[in-house]
Amino acid sequence: KNEVEQSPQNLTAQEGEFITINCSYSVGISALHWLQQHPGGGIVSLFMLSSGKKKHGRLIATINIQEKHSSLHITASHPRDSAVYICAVRSTSGSRLTFGEGTQLTVNP
Amino acid sequence: DAGVTQSPTHLIKTRGQQVTLRCSPKSGHDTVSWYQQALGQGPQFIFQYYEEEERQRGNFPDRFSGHQFPNYSSELNVNALLLGDSALYLCASSFTGAFGNTIYFGEGSWLTVV
Repeated sequence: KNEVEQSPQNLTAQEGEFITINCSYSVGISALHWLQQHPGGGIVSLFMLSSGKKKHGRLIATINIQEKHSSLHITASHPRDSAVYICAVRSTSGSRLTFGEGTQLTVNP
Repeated sequence: DAGVTQSPTHLIKTRGQQVTLRCSPKSGHDTVSWYQQALGQGPQFIFQYYEEEERQRGNFPDRFSGHQFPNYSSELNVNALLLGDSALYLCASSFTGAFGNTIYFGEGSWLTVV
């Protein structure tokens, strides 16, 4: 079992829909990152969380440390949101990141 | 302010050859991590460099080695290339001084081994 599990693996939505991507982890963490990766390969950090909730524009990220679970929400989704969204955790034992397998999001117009 | 820059962006090598990938961290960052991402999978941690030393290492063979220079830039070297080394190699930089600092990623180097 991977230390970081994401669901769903693939997600197709219509423009305007509310999107939720989930991440569960099994290790103690100091921080959790939500990342966005476009087909070219570059990765952009969307959020870094250690507790609670963060919001940036149409993106919202939450984390429940007790349940070892985080969610990324996209409100009013748009085709330009189409990308792979990756959850990554930084363990308490070091600064390396452990990544989930990613969620391929496709938003159709 | 340039972010993380990696070179080359794409390269093709033959089995058995050696390759060197380069990374310049974001200005002010002192820690560089390297990740390997196979097609359709999440990145896997290779190693991390801080103060010119390898601080942490993932589950990669000794064919994978690295270096960090005094200006914090870093190289990833892979010897005796195998077909399975074909992947996107990502460099990430951060500043160790503060807890939980944001990490910045480069665009990656696409390596194809034929």
